[in-house]
Amino acid sequence: GQNIDQPTEMTATEGAIVQINCTYQTSGFNGLFWYQQHAGEAPTFLSYNVLDGLEEKGRFSSFLSRSKGYSYLLLKELQMKDSASYLCAVRDSGGYQKVTFGIGTKLQVIP
Amino acid sequence: SAVISQKPSRDICQRGTSLTIQCQVDSQVTMMFWYRQQPGQSLTLIATANQGSEATYESGFVIDKFPISRPNLTFSTLTVSNMSPEDSSIYLCSVGPSSGGAAKQFFGPGTRLTVL
Repeated sequence: GQNIDQPTEMTATEGAIVQINCTYQTSGFNGLFWYQQHAGEAPTFLSYNVLDGLEEKGRFSSFLSRSKGYSYLLLKELQMKDSASYLCAVRDSGGYQKVTFGIGTKLQVIP
Repeated sequence: SAVISQKPSRDICQRGTSLTIQCQVDSQVTMMFWYRQQPGQSLTLIATANQGSEATYESGFVIDKFPISRPNLTFSTLTVSNMSPEDSSIYLCSVGPSSGGAAKQFFGPGTRLTVL
C-alpha cells in the first residue's frame, strides 16, 4: 500500500516562492503526480516525476528523490489565483497502476 | 490530453434511491478509474473499471453498493445504490495511461451528489 504525507495548510505572500513537501512510503513506485484543485472543481494535472531530479514548467517545478521517498512542488512568483489545494499522488507499479492521493495541502496566498 | 465528460454534473437525490453517473472519454484509454471526494477530504479510489470484465474494487467498496460498467474503451458508468446521506460526495472519473503509454492521469469534471 501507499502512505503519503503532506502539510495540510500553508500561507504565502503574493510574489513570493513557496515549497510544498510530500513524503511517501510505498510497496511499489511508478511515478509521482502533483495536482492543483480549486474549491468546487476537479483536480488539474500539474506535473509527473518518475525519475530523480527537478522538472520545471513555467512558474511550477517539481522535484523527486526516490531513495528518500520525497518530493516537493515549488511555486514561484505566487499569484492570488494560486490559492488552491495541492495534491501529491503516487502511482504504484502493479498491473492496474493505481494512483493514491495524499490529503492535499491547502495554500492560501495573501496580498 | 484526453477530454473527459461526466453526466450529470450534479444531482440531489432521496435516501434509498440509486443514481448512475456516466463518464465519456474522447479517445480510447486503457485504464479508467472512479474516485470519491467527500467534503474537505482528498480523493479515494473506489475501483478500477476494466473493459469487458468486472471492476476491481478497493478495500471498503463493494460491487453491490457501487456497480460499475465498462462496455468499451471510451465509456464507463458508476451507480451509487441505495443512497444514504453519507454518500454525499463528488464522484470523479479518471483515465490513466493511454494505449500509447502516456503517463499522465486526468480527471473528469466530477459529479456533485447530495443525498437528503
